[in-house]
Amino acid sequence: TQLLEQSPQFLSIQEGENLTVYCNSSSVFSSLQWYRQEPGEGPVLLVTVVTGGEVKKLKRLTFQFGDARKDSSLHITAAQPGDTGLYLCAGEPQGGSEKLVFGKGTKLTVNP
Amino acid sequence: NAGVMQNPRHLVRRRGQEARLRCSPMKGHSHVYWYRQLPEEGLKFMVYLQKENIIDESGMPKERFSAEFPKEGPSILRIQQVVRGDSAAYFCASSDSLSAYEQYFGPGTRLTVT
Repeated sequence: TQLLEQSPQFLSIQEGENLTVYCNSSSVFSSLQWYRQEPGEGPVLLVTVVTGGEVKKLKRLTFQFGDARKDSSLHITAAQPGDTGLYLCAGEPQGGSEKLVFGKGTKLTVNP
Repeated sequence: NAGVMQNPRHLVRRRGQEARLRCSPMKGHSHVYWYRQLPEEGLKFMVYLQKENIIDESGMPKERFSAEFPKEGPSILRIQQVVRGDSAAYFCASSDSLSAYEQYFGPGTRLTVT
């Protein structure tokens, strides 16, 4: 069973600070997705990475897929209160099963 | 372009009743997935369907749970004889055939079994 471990589980920072969230596994994934989920809502897709070593930027968010396609990171620059939420990583296991495996998430709070 | 629609958003059932959860995929999407999210747990895959076909139901309990995606109309996740342990948020996601790994989620149905 492929598992995705996210760290840290909780993160509380001040507005303007930078942060990095990690998603790690011992298994290889064909692709990896990052989602953000607000309370009472469904996850919203932020980015998909498919190539080992790939880096994608979305405004102040930078996503990286590990060279071996076993891990990923999300870096937020100059965090804002609007970034508060639950960040989930999800991976498509190698072999094309098309079902996503999710981490338990990192709950981020950005204080004004 | 409307996103993934789920209804109802909240559903309360007594033990032993049936729960029916509906999902309309995003326009142009032919793949539907159901996931369950328990408190303090990650989302867990339940079932993957295409029109009139169940492709992978490896995450769905073999008893009391069933899913369908008919030729016309929404996908339905049916839970018969609900028990308290079925209380959870159930999310539907959809994707197109070209990039099945990019799944877009609906707002979820929160099932409470009393």
